Amino acid sequence: GAVVSQHPSWVICKSGTSVKIECRSLDFQATTMFWYRQFPKQSLMLMATSNEGSKATYEQGVEKDKFLINHASLTLSTLTVTSAHPEDSSFYICSARAGWDRQNYGYTFGSGTRLTVV
Amino acid sequence: AQTVTQSQPEMSVQEAETVTLSCTYDTSESDYYLFWYKQPPSRQMILVIRQEAYKQQNATENRFSVNFQKAAKSFSLKISDSQLGDAAMYFCACNQGGKLIFGQGTELSVKP
Repeated sequence: GAVVSQHPSWVICKSGTSVKIECRSLDFQATTMFWYRQFPKQSLMLMATSNEGSKATYEQGVEKDKFLINHASLTLSTLTVTSAHPEDSSFYICSARAGWDRQNYGYTFGSGTRLTVV
Repeated sequence: AQTVTQSQPEMSVQEAETVTLSCTYDTSESDYYLFWYKQPPSRQMILVIRQEAYKQQNATENRFSVNFQKAAKSFSLKISDSQLGDAAMYFCACNQGGKLIFGQGTELSVKP
């Protein structure tokens, strides 16, 4: 089945620094990837949609200059949290849409990244 | 705007019993998919079951089944013969415009 690898699984960084999170589709080509943010005991909030070779589409209220998304290949999308602050601490999850036919339509998720900014 | 609503923040079920998790949604699209995902403490999102809106037949996956009421925009999940390993957060989701939108989640606990 479709597998999405997300790294790192957890990261601690100092306030003011940047951190990059990678999301790779291992056995399929993902023309579209999605980035979510999840606070404890809460739902997944869509941050942006990443399309290979084009600019990401951000959801309302998400700062595009703080959360830089790059989707340079069909198997890799990255999220860079720039000038991180403690309020950016959260759980970030990527997802890739796998399959285009009705039988296989679905979304595969990475294992998530826990970001702590100190 | 598309919304997905789960009105049960927490549910509890006795082991081996049956539990139903509720979900309602609102979408302007005529063709869409509905999903239930399980998120255990590891926080890995696991697909439980998927329903295509154009199909009238309710989806079933082993102990998991859905009650899809398209006119009422309702999509509930029934878990039969509940097991301790079913304890997790459960999220209902609907896709629109290719994006997957989630409900608030229901935390399911299973009592031995």
